[in-house]
Amino acid sequence: DVVMTQTPVSLSVSLGGQVSISCRSSQSLVHNNGNTYLSWYLQKPGQSPQLLIYKVSNRFSGISDRFSGSGSGTDFTLKISRVEPDDLGVYYCGQGTQYPFTFGSGTKLEIK
Amino acid sequence: EVQLQESGPGLVKPSQSLSLTCSVTGYSITSNYWGWIRKFPGNKMEWMGYISYSGSTSYNPSLKSRISITRDTSKNQFFLQLNSVTTEDTATYYCARGGYGLNWFAYWGQGTLVTVSS
Repeated sequence: DVVMTQTPVSLSVSLGGQVSISCRSSQSLVHNNGNTYLSWYLQKPGQSPQLLIYKVSNRFSGISDRFSGSGSGTDFTLKISRVEPDDLGVYYCGQGTQYPFTFGSGTKLEIK
Repeated sequence: EVQLQESGPGLVKPSQSLSLTCSVTGYSITSNYWGWIRKFPGNKMEWMGYISYSGSTSYNPSLKSRISITRDTSKNQFFLQLNSVTTEDTATYYCARGGYGLNWFAYWGQGTLVTVSS
């Protein structure tokens, strides 16, 4: 299985600040069709996960441009700028390139 | 707007079967891909499998022959059955719809906690 390693495990940021979350995969996430199926999700307290980013850098419908994804191959980053109170929760990366699909272990974002 | 809602028993005894229903509104399950994902106590998430628009399925090998995902298109529902459960199957179970395909999960249900305990 593809192992997804997220760092850091948790981080604390001031409102208005910027954070980066790293996600590394144990194998390349480039699919045979040329696409890279790396996505990012946010699980807010008491809610189900919500899709933020798909295919590395595409924001899902309704997602603020404060969220941006980048990376390639095995190394990916989610950046959150101008952090707002509603951004707190646990962020997950996930890969949909190789079966079985797998997720990172999560990064908990706290607001200072 | 597509909405998904899980339902089923919150408590299952060890060695029995876990059965959950995902009811979908706002979108036909004869389009796209429909999956089950679970989140264990702590943060670990596991993709369990999916059923496609045509009814084909794919499962996580870690679940071996214990899992089955089926559907009822007349009710716009799909189902999860997990056999021979143990306490390690205690988790919150989510149903979800794929994005433009099966490679990411665009819409999620609110989740249902299933506890395996005698």
